[in-house]
Amino acid sequence: QQQVKQSPQSLIVQKGGISIINCAYENTAFDYFPWYQQFPGKGPALLIAIRPDVSEKKEGRFTISFNKSAKQFSLHIMDSQPGDSATYFCAAGGHYGGSQGNLIFGKGTKLSVKP
Amino acid sequence: SAVISQKPSRDICQRGTSLTIQCQVDSQVTMMFWYRQQPGQSLTLIATANQGSEATYESGFVIDKFPISRPNLTFSTLTVSNMSPEDSSIYLCSVDVAGQGCCEQYFGPGTRLTVT
Repeated sequence: QQQVKQSPQSLIVQKGGISIINCAYENTAFDYFPWYQQFPGKGPALLIAIRPDVSEKKEGRFTISFNKSAKQFSLHIMDSQPGDSATYFCAAGGHYGGSQGNLIFGKGTKLSVKP
Repeated sequence: SAVISQKPSRDICQRGTSLTIQCQVDSQVTMMFWYRQQPGQSLTLIATANQGSEATYESGFVIDKFPISRPNLTFSTLTVSNMSPEDSSIYLCSVDVAGQGCCEQYFGPGTRLTVT
């Protein structure tokens, strides 16, 4: 019940295209859903996050869509650029079952944007 | 956000030895976390370290293997004890800076550990 399922495992997109990564969760106690971007040899960087009181959040070319009833959320990268090539992790967090605000991470999506 | 540094950035160690990883934050934070990320894999939480209390370990991780110190609100250490090649991994610290609610975490650059 604490899992976060992420798909696809890898994604190849042409420059200028839209990259879409999906995540699903089970625990309805989660109330924070971030996306992290990680480049090789670096720590994960917080990209954008959403709480369940809104269905969409946009920051620049990055948008999170959130479907509370389906327990799903997705990251859309508009006008994808080669510099966006990285591994993306979704996560879910909240205070549940004694947790102190832990994050549960998806398995990651390796995005390659071809020029 | 927060600026987080880790030392060392990488190390190669012999089996049976121990390594202590340091995590320094540029501001006072209540909650710090230690994660392990095996090559090409996702992040797995090792423990939560709050200042003034014992660290809370996740299932599969024990204090004897991964002792943690949290002497103040800007610093923490993780020791990987009696290392084996299976401990080869990236170790990451993170901090929660939201102040209320949860779980806005910022990560350090990681420590890449290779055990031979």
